[in-house]
Order: sequence, then C-alpha cells, then structure tokens
Amino acid sequence: EAEVAQSPRYKITEKSQAVAFWCDPISGHATLYWYRQILGQGPELLVQFQDESVVDDSQLPKDRFSAERLKGVDSTLKIQPAELGDSAMYLCASSYTTGRNEQFFGPGTRLTVL
Amino acid sequence: GENVEQHPSTLSVQEGDSAVIKCTYSDSASNYFPWYKQELGKRPQLIIDIRSNVGEKKDQRIAVTLNKTAKHFSLHITETQPEDSAVYFCAASNGGSYIPTFGRGTSLIVHP
Repeated sequence: EAEVAQSPRYKITEKSQAVAFWCDPISGHATLYWYRQILGQGPELLVQFQDESVVDDSQLPKDRFSAERLKGVDSTLKIQPAELGDSAMYLCASSYTTGRNEQFFGPGTRLTVL
Repeated sequence: GENVEQHPSTLSVQEGDSAVIKCTYSDSASNYFPWYKQELGKRPQLIIDIRSNVGEKKDQRIAVTLNKTAKHFSLHITETQPEDSAVYFCAASNGGSYIPTFGRGTSLIVHP
C-alpha cells in the first residue's frame, strides 16, 4: 500500500539554525498539506498545495517559514531561523484532490529546537 | 474561520463499554467531518467520515452522527477493546477548498 514519505524522522537543532523537511506524497495525489502538531493538540494547517500552487498559507509564519512544491510532486518545508517555540511534530499529508477529501498522513518529523 | 471544539480531552472506559466523543463547529459552510485515530508515536489515520447530506454513518463498531442544525457531530465506539486506546481527532472543513480545522483531540484509554 502506498504511503506518504517524510524525512528526516527526527531533527535536533539549535535556535537560529536553519532546518528543512521533505515530503513525498502518494503518487497521483495532487493536494499536499503541511501541518504542525504541538504535543497534546490537533494538527494545525500551515500550508496547502494544489499541484505546484499554494491554495492556503494563511497560518504559515512567513517571516521564518517557507514551503515549495516546484514540480507539483514532492515538497520541502524550511524554517530559518528556528526558534524554541518551533519544537513540534511536522506532518505532511496528501489527498487525490481537494474534491476527494480523505487525507493520508506521513509519519512526521519530530523537531526539537535547543 | 472555522473553530472546532472537542470534548472530553480524556476518556477512560472499561473494555466492552461504549465511548462517545463530541465535537462542535462554528462555520455553517462546513460539510465534511472526518475522524482520525492517532496511536502513540504513529501517524493519524482516517477511521470514519461523514458528509453533511447524511445524519449517521456506521462501520462495524464505529459510528458517527451529525446534527447540522446544532453544528455538532459525535463519534461512537461500541464494545471497546484495549487496541482502541489512542488519541482521536475530529475535523471540519468546507468541501470546496478543503481547508480542515482539527479539534484538540481526545485521549481514549480502554482498561482490560
């Protein structure tokens, strides 16, 4: 069964450093989502792509976060510079299209900022 | 924007009992309501969903009900088993753009 892939699974960094996370959605899925999940809370949407276009990034802290999906397939989320409050699980999800709503989540990247 | 409230935050039951988790939403335009199960250290997985044109949906021991007038929906698990122990998240979204808003989660503990 196809799954969403993410790397790295764990990342420890010091504040003010740059970090990058990678996501490879299920083949054929046009819609890709990046979420941040703080321990004990539900996932919070950071950015949604439809193919290579951003559909919504209203919750993305654009002064330090950036996301791209240049060829409409895999995606990278970057944080520069990282802050202590960025420690969280970063989840990627994909769906066939926005009209087919079931989302499939990746295993996530656990970020710890020291 | 949408606001989803989920209760309770923790639910402890004995094996074989039923469990009910409730969510309310604020945006009357929301029309898709999925429920996800997240086991410790694992990814969230869709367990059941409901669209606004139906009031109830069942899948074996799991059921979801939706009351659009009151803007609330609930997850019902019957004959709970220890492997049902996990965090359950509800979500609500507008099916056009599908920008989902999640609840804060319910930690379900099923005691053998």
